[in-house]
Amino acid sequence: GAVVSQHPSWVICKSGTSVKIECRSLDFQATTMFWYRQFPKQSLMLMATSNEGSKATYEQGVEKDKFLINHASLTLSTLTVTSAHPEDSSFYICSADGGGRGEFGTDTQYFGPGTRLTVL
Amino acid sequence: GNSVTQMEGPVTLSEEAFLTINCTYTATGYPSLFWYVQYPGEGLQLLLKATKADDKGSNKGFEATYRKETTSFHLEKGSVQVSDSAVYFCALNSGYSTLTFGKGTMLLVSP
Repeated sequence: GAVVSQHPSWVICKSGTSVKIECRSLDFQATTMFWYRQFPKQSLMLMATSNEGSKATYEQGVEKDKFLINHASLTLSTLTVTSAHPEDSSFYICSADGGGRGEFGTDTQYFGPGTRLTVL
Repeated sequence: GNSVTQMEGPVTLSEEAFLTINCTYTATGYPSLFWYVQYPGEGLQLLLKATKADDKGSNKGFEATYRKETTSFHLEKGSVQVSDSAVYFCALNSGYSTLTFGKGTMLLVSP
């Protein structure tokens, strides 16, 4: 249990277009999901915390108008990169608070496989 | 604030060698501690966790003990395999849901 999926796994788009990435908890409900960005050979940078039915909480320095997050249901959160530019190219990873599901119990985040975004 | 410090990599070992990846932390309160593993091009997989002092987390031959007196959570494995080659992240959760990650340590195991 506690499986998280992301779609798409990779996307290439032109500069100026918008891209939507989906994050789904497949076998559990997730009140809270998280979006991270990872640059090559670096650690994960938390972008925002997404709570079902309310506005996302963005980390300092993350543009909320550029990275739109929607958490409309207990199993789905989406990240939309608006007017993407080459500097937005990165590996985006989501996670979900397992809420006690999965072998590791409470207080545990389960991660999706990531989405590689390349903006030309 | 919270922080996690990991040993810099890459750590290069031969198959069947003993592995230690050091991790120390700074946190308020009593955090939960985690080790995640990331294989090339993939997301993170939770390897093991510990929630209180002296707890030992273990999984797939890896283990780590929560040492409050030294604020450490070192990852160990008695005999590594080529398939263990990946990046390992130490992380903590201080009770507010968000994770604080270390910078990651790359492990390279050769046959």
